[in-house]
Amino acid sequence: EVQLVESGGGLVQPGGSLRLSCAASGFTFSSFGMHWVRQAPGKGLVWVSLINNDGSTTIYADSVKGRFTVSRDNAKNTLYLQMSSLRAEDTAVYYCARGKTSFDYWGQGTLVTVSS
Amino acid sequence: DIQMTQSPSSLSASVGDKVTITCRASQSISSYVVWYQQKPGKAPKFLIYDASTLQSGVPSRFSGSGSGTEFTLTISSLQPEDFAIYFCQQSYSNPYTFGQGTKLEIK
Repeated sequence: EVQLVESGGGLVQPGGSLRLSCAASGFTFSSFGMHWVRQAPGKGLVWVSLINNDGSTTIYADSVKGRFTVSRDNAKNTLYLQMSSLRAEDTAVYYCARGKTSFDYWGQGTLVTVSS
Repeated sequence: DIQMTQSPSSLSASVGDKVTITCRASQSISSYVVWYQQKPGKAPKFLIYDASTLQSGVPSRFSGSGSGTEFTLTISSLQPEDFAIYFCQQSYSNPYTFGQGTKLEIK
């Protein structure tokens, strides 16, 4: 069974940093591209970043470019999102999701709240 | 960026009804549309890809159609578990954008 489990969310002050993790199991992690998608409270879904299967290609939404860094450790079956210079508008549930251009499996999400 | 516009934003229907949700793209995206279902407090669930291909395990009362700029998600006979929010997403080009969602409520 495919499982994606996010962790690392929490309350952080504006300008602060946070690293999210996504532990994958039930599939060959190193064969799949992975994404981060976020959802502000009561709002819609917004794609954040993509990393290809071997980590050689990363792509970001303009809203996070230069502030967020996606990475993966295929030996540990884990996806990461390093977030810095956080803003109030980054407040959201962050989901990791598997796929190339669409998202067939999602984690349960981890809430990031940026507030003083 | 490609904009995806869903209509209606909300919809009230009864168990057994047939409902249709529309998604329009700001430019032609061939058949590169995906549909998701999201229930409160849960992650989205992958329903349909390539506009009309049902993901394994999704009930056959769900169907999708369309190409170019206009796409539809149809539920042929609503079941109680279908009341949720539905999102479309274009998988044609990065950044991968979503519609704003359609909330399907019980009448």
